[in-house]
Amino acid sequence: EDKVVQSPLSLVVHEGDTVTLNCSYEVTNFRSLLWYKQEKKAPTFLFMLTSSGIEKKSGRLSSILDKKELFSILNITATQTGDSAVYLCAPDQGGSEKLVFGKGTKLTVNP
Amino acid sequence: NAGVTQTPKFQVLKTGQSMTLQCAQDMNHEYMSWYRQDPGMGLRLIHYSVGAGITDQGEVPNGYNVSRSTTEDFPLRLLSAAPSQTSVYFCASSYYSGGGYEQYFGPGTRLTVT
Repeated sequence: EDKVVQSPLSLVVHEGDTVTLNCSYEVTNFRSLLWYKQEKKAPTFLFMLTSSGIEKKSGRLSSILDKKELFSILNITATQTGDSAVYLCAPDQGGSEKLVFGKGTKLTVNP
Repeated sequence: NAGVTQTPKFQVLKTGQSMTLQCAQDMNHEYMSWYRQDPGMGLRLIHYSVGAGITDQGEVPNGYNVSRSTTEDFPLRLLSAAPSQTSVYFCASSYYSGGGYEQYFGPGTRLTVT
């Protein structure tokens, strides 16, 4: 059965800290992995990763994928209170349109 | 573009009632899906569609029906609501881009079944 594990489950930091969120997965014939940010509403798309070792970057957020070791990380530098959210990772299932979601990491950034 | 829209935003049903959650997208995406999100359970796939006229079951399809008569619309029907269907429901659509499918979510419908 496909499985996605995110760690830590929750994290509390101070503004300005750098955080690393982890996502490991056991998904057959995996092709891509997506990261989402969810505040008290719908998940918002952040990144799609398809190649190992190639970093994707958007402002203070960056992410990288290791297809051999089956994990991905999401880094957030110089955190702000607006980064407080649940971060979800989701590899695709068998290279299809279907995604398998992890339970998320809840990040709280205190001023 | 409005993106993915869902109606209603909130709904309260009594056990045994039926209703349809509406979902529409104006991005001409072929793939659409329905998820439910419950505390501690994450997002779980209910049904999905790879194009007009084609639907299939996801992880938790029991008690729900879908149809896809057009590319734009993908309604989710609750046949006989049960308290276990109290949840937040998200519709999503996706398109192929650079080696995978980017998926975008609607704003969600919060459903309570009493």
